[in-house]
Amino acid sequence: DSGVTQTPKHLITATGQRVTLRCSPRSGDLSVYWYQQSLDQGLQFLIQYYNGEERAKGNILERFSAQQFPDLHSELNLSSLELGDSALYFCASSGGPLPGRGFYGYTFGSGTRLTVV
Amino acid sequence: AQTVTQSQPEMSVQEAETVTLSCTYDTSENNYYLFWYKQPPSRQMILVIRQEAYKQQNATENRFSVNFQKAAKSFSLKISDSQLGDTAMYFCASPTQGGSEKLVFGKGTKLTVNP
Repeated sequence: DSGVTQTPKHLITATGQRVTLRCSPRSGDLSVYWYQQSLDQGLQFLIQYYNGEERAKGNILERFSAQQFPDLHSELNLSSLELGDSALYFCASSGGPLPGRGFYGYTFGSGTRLTVV
Repeated sequence: AQTVTQSQPEMSVQEAETVTLSCTYDTSENNYYLFWYKQPPSRQMILVIRQEAYKQQNATENRFSVNFQKAAKSFSLKISDSQLGDTAMYFCASPTQGGSEKLVFGKGTKLTVNP
């Protein structure tokens, strides 16, 4: 167990529908990142939150949105789903970089496998 | 755009042998960290090794070590005494512009360790 919890693990839904993916970061981590991994592709950065505020945005579609709540858990909302949205969605968390302490990379959750049919 | 290039889509190695996975990156950051992640068939992303760019010494974690060439922006991963459990996708990651904690990942190298 990495300490980052993602739910659900699997999700099957129809085109046009809306889903919410949930992520609880590792205890003490303030940053949450969302990545999309399509079949045979690397990880594409979607968005980052730090302590409740949006910190950086990547190639996130307008149909997608995210937020981080006061308890630091995050949700990724995907709407008007298309077949091409089928992918593995990862949440990762980190505590840094912290002044004088460096950056120790991400801790990943186990991912949510989204299948759009 | 910041890029990470892994030029070997697939590699294979015999059990107990050594293999090196290549990675080149492009960042304008001055102080940064580089990472190798492993993704086994379970699809879990697992941190393998981390390199601090301002340190000359190459990082080592048990059977895993890196060859870091800062001027060439090269960051290869060497796996010694390969084990069947090392079979996985390996991703190299470097920071993007605007924040050393935002990472961009390469497309990965699929490593198969043969018995």
